[in-house]
Amino acid sequence: DIQMTQSPSSLSASVGDRVTISCRASQGIYNYLAWYQQKPGKVPKLLIYAASTLQSGVSSRFSGSGSGTDFTLTISSLQPEDVATYYCQKYNSAPFTFGQGTRLEIK
Amino acid sequence: EVQLVQSGAEVKKPGESLKISCKGSGYSFINYWIGWVRQMPGKGLEWMGIIYPGDSDTRYSPSFQGQVTISVDKSISTAYLQWSSLKASDTAMYYCARPQSYGYKSAFDTWGQGTMVTVSS
Repeated sequence: DIQMTQSPSSLSASVGDRVTISCRASQGIYNYLAWYQQKPGKVPKLLIYAASTLQSGVSSRFSGSGSGTDFTLTISSLQPEDVATYYCQKYNSAPFTFGQGTRLEIK
Repeated sequence: EVQLVQSGAEVKKPGESLKISCKGSGYSFINYWIGWVRQMPGKGLEWMGIIYPGDSDTRYSPSFQGQVTISVDKSISTAYLQWSSLKASDTAMYYCARPQSYGYKSAFDTWGQGTMVTVSS
């Protein structure tokens, strides 16, 4: 099965910073890659699908890029409400594995 | 409004059986796959499997194959996740989720509120 590896596992940044989270697939997955945000005690929320398409209603601070095996989630200007754990997920073929998550905190 | 409403929290003993549910509304239930995701306490998201209500076609993660059963009753727009013999390691939050488009190769844009399952003697 294809493994999804996120880096870093945790991240601390200041309000206004540009934040980048990486996700690497062990084999190519074309652009079948989604990013989710999960705030503490809440249900996961879809941010990005097809690697770079912003889900309706999601802030334009969030963007995604990549194709094949290497993908990136970028927050252009970190806000306090962005404190959360972020997960990538591949969905080109079952199992639709999630990355291990990146915990984002405010410095 | 598209909604997935899950059954309530459960507290069970090791060895007991359990079936939790996820009821879809606000869309054509039989045309969209429904998936299940596990989140153990303090841990990440794990994809368990997915079912197509139209014909009950089911795909499991190898990690969960044989450990759980995913089923559906399309007459009442409800998907199920069941265990025949629970273990303490099954203690987790379980989410159902629906892909955003008809095909199953699609991200989950709609999630249930989660069902907390606690297994303890």
